[in-house]
Amino acid sequence: AQSVSQHNHHVILSEAASLELGCNYSYGGTVNLFWYVQYPGQHLQLLLKYFSGDPLVKGIKGFEAEFIKSKFSFNLRKPSVQWSDTAEYFCAVNARTGGFKTIFGAGTRLFVKA
Amino acid sequence: KAGVTQTPRYLIKTRGQQVTLSCSPISGHRSVSWYQQTPGQGLQFLFEYFSETQRNKGNFPGRFSGRQFSNSRSEMNVSTLELGDSALYLCASSLGGQGDAYGYTFGSGTRLTVV
Repeated sequence: AQSVSQHNHHVILSEAASLELGCNYSYGGTVNLFWYVQYPGQHLQLLLKYFSGDPLVKGIKGFEAEFIKSKFSFNLRKPSVQWSDTAEYFCAVNARTGGFKTIFGAGTRLFVKA
Repeated sequence: KAGVTQTPRYLIKTRGQQVTLSCSPISGHRSVSWYQQTPGQGLQFLFEYFSETQRNKGNFPGRFSGRQFSNSRSEMNVSTLELGDSALYLCASSLGGQGDAYGYTFGSGTRLTVV
């Protein structure tokens, strides 16, 4: 069955530190990949997405993610985090299994210390 | 343009009762998906409706059902509520449904508490 794994459930960083959140999925076919973010008290919103072309995609607020097909990974990165990046981050995969269900990872809670 | 609207925002129900949640997608979006979000399980897919037809269904019991109207508004119903149904229920709309590359726009959710 299709699944998405996020390696870290909780991450604590100081401002200006670099961020990398891991995401791996299990599916051998064509996929669309997404990162969503949920800021405290707000609804989920799309951070960035990949569906074809350049495997390095850039999203809002300085975030980027790299799709590595051979590793079934789509890791999220940011060179220098800010306190305002404190949020929960969800990786999601949309694949043609049972009609393109979108499956979410369990989420990673990021806390950035000011 | 208006976002995804979910009503009500909060609900408290008693075990055994039933509940109906509503979602109005973004204008022009034909697909509505429903997810259950809990701290321990993350986001679990319930079902997806596209042009009034259920196209996908997750692994939830038959107590969970839904429908979509001709204006793309969707409702989900949970019958015979159990304590474990307490969760945040999220509605997500998209242009082409599951498989499209545009991603979802989520609503703020309905927080259901079963006592």
